[in-house]
Amino acid sequence: SQKIEQNSEALNIQEGKTATLTCNYTNYSPAYLQWYRQDPGRGPVFLLLIRENEKEKRKERLKVTFDTTLKQSLFHITASQPADSATYLCALDASNQAGTALIFGKGTTLSVSS
Amino acid sequence: DSGVTQTPKHLITATGQRVTLRCSPRSGDLSVYWYQQSLDQGLQFLIQYYNGEERAKGNILERFSAQQFPDLHSELNLSSLELGDSALYFCASSVYSGLAGSAGTDTQYFGPGTRLTVL
Repeated sequence: SQKIEQNSEALNIQEGKTATLTCNYTNYSPAYLQWYRQDPGRGPVFLLLIRENEKEKRKERLKVTFDTTLKQSLFHITASQPADSATYLCALDASNQAGTALIFGKGTTLSVSS
Repeated sequence: DSGVTQTPKHLITATGQRVTLRCSPRSGDLSVYWYQQSLDQGLQFLIQYYNGEERAKGNILERFSAQQFPDLHSELNLSSLELGDSALYFCASSVYSGLAGSAGTDTQYFGPGTRLTVL
């Protein structure tokens, strides 16, 4: 069955360091992958979308890679700040499968300490 | 502020009851999605509507139903509520139609959610 796994439930790093979050998937062949940020008690907010032929996408301090051979996406936050503390979700397009649209991973909660 | 509104913010009810959650999409968005988020299951896709028609269905229970009205707002109806239905329910909206393969490029804008507690 289709599965999305985000490497860990929680990641703790110090301010200024680079945070790297992992999203692995199985039994999917998505052409796109998205990353969202969710703060406690609030709805997810879209951050970045990467297509399968883009390999890498950047937006300010954020960088996403997409390796369709490894079936993995890496999400990097450079020069992390306490304000980056949140849960980060990866999402895949599964609308070519019966009865689905975007499928989300369970998320990795990032804590950046000063 | 995403532009998506949801009411109510909080809802406390008893088992066996029926509730209705309401969502107004961003201006111009034709697609509405409903998600359920619980601590153990994460964000689960329930159902999508596009311009009044059902487009995609996820793991939505038969006790749950939804519709999208001509003014594009949507309602999610939950009936015969059980303790396990306690969760955050999010609505999201987007521009695209939900045609096969389009969801991947379809940025979804989420509302603030409705927290449902079933006692």
